[in-house]
Amino acid sequence: SQTIHQWPATLVQPVGSPLSLECTVEGTSNPNLYWYRQAAGRGLQLLFYSVGIGQISSEVPQNLSASRPQDRQFILSSKKLLLSDSGFYLCAWSGIAGSTYNSPLHFGNGTRLTVT
Amino acid sequence: GESVGLHLPTLSVQEGDNSIINCAYSNSASDYFIWYKQESGKGPQFIIDIRSNMDKRQGQRVTVLLNKTVKHLSLQIAATQPGDSAVYFCAETYSGGGADGLTFGKGTHLIIQP
Repeated sequence: SQTIHQWPATLVQPVGSPLSLECTVEGTSNPNLYWYRQAAGRGLQLLFYSVGIGQISSEVPQNLSASRPQDRQFILSSKKLLLSDSGFYLCAWSGIAGSTYNSPLHFGNGTRLTVT
Repeated sequence: GESVGLHLPTLSVQEGDNSIINCAYSNSASDYFIWYKQESGKGPQFIIDIRSNMDKRQGQRVTVLLNKTVKHLSLQIAATQPGDSAVYFCAETYSGGGADGLTFGKGTHLIIQP
């Protein structure tokens, strides 16, 4: 069966510090990978998605970047965190490369990031 | 993208009763719908999905109904249990929507009263 691992679960970082959140998927090949941010009382905001190694699409201009160095590894990074980067970050995968059609997203348990 | 919304932000039901959570969507091209459950501090968990060639689909204690005429989706949970307390939200996408084609609603908080 497929599993998704996301870490760390919680993180407190000072403003201006770098960020690296990691996500790995097991039990599937060539998945679509996603990074979402969820603000309290609001819906899920898509930040990045990837349909293959080294292929990253960005949905919103921001202080963050994403990389996919391996087929089942997705990393969310920042060189200098801002206060506004605080939030709940979720990694997800879907089983059909290149499309969300007919294939649900499966989420990790998220990282609660607090920038102080 | 177009919006997916919920009629009730909070729903409180007695343990053992049935729950119905509603969702309206506005994109008439949407043809694939998903329900998620999110417990506090955790990621969303896939519950059930339905394609537009169906109007009803059943899972374990859950049923999803799709009314394409009025663009309405509902999730029915039978015999609710304390563990059903969570935020439930729907999502929709469409054929050709691509990897960024999924739109999520904001969620309904289901509270189970003992």
